Amino acid sequence: GAVVSQHPSWVICKSGTSVKIECRSLDFQATTMFWYRQFPKQSLMLMATSNEGSKATYEQGVEKDKFLINHASLTLSTLTVTSAHPEDSSFYICSARRTSGKNEQFFGPGTRLTVL
Amino acid sequence: GESVGLHLPTLSVQEGDNSIINCAYSNSASDYFIWYKQESGKGPQFIIDIRSNMDKRQGQRVTVLLNKTVKHLSLQIAATQPGDSAVYFCAERWDSSYKLIFGSGTRLLVRP
Repeated sequence: GAVVSQHPSWVICKSGTSVKIECRSLDFQATTMFWYRQFPKQSLMLMATSNEGSKATYEQGVEKDKFLINHASLTLSTLTVTSAHPEDSSFYICSARRTSGKNEQFFGPGTRLTVL
Repeated sequence: GESVGLHLPTLSVQEGDNSIINCAYSNSASDYFIWYKQESGKGPQFIIDIRSNMDKRQGQRVTVLLNKTVKHLSLQIAATQPGDSAVYFCAERWDSSYKLIFGSGTRLLVRP
């Protein structure tokens, strides 16, 4: 149990286009999901906290108009990278916090975004 | 021994030896800490956690030590195996929002 999936696992797009990444909790409900970005050989940097039914909370320095987050249900959060540029190329990872029990967080497998 | 790479420090150990990976955390108010293992191209995998009211916790082949005085965490891996080769991150639960802040990470290389 406690599986989190991401789709797509990798995506290549042209500069200026928008890309949507999905994060799903497959067998549990997640009131809160988190989005991280990881550049090569670096740590995970928290981008935003996504709360079901309300606006996301962005970390300092993360542009909310560029990284649109929607958490429309208890099992799905989406991150849309708008007008992507090469510097947005990164590994995007989500995590989902289980609503019940120990409130553990479970991580998805990540999405590799390459912007040409 | 340890060496500092481009961004991630690297710990190289002989198979069968014990490994100790260290981490400094930031927030003295953090109440919960987790160690994750990340293999190339994958998401973080939970290894072991510890609450701030404890100073030691043991799992299978792993032990986490917490020193709140100096805001330091360590992960000890006993009898290190080739499958342990990965990047290891500590994370602290920052506040009541449950968001996790990750440390800089250490790459563990296990020599056969």
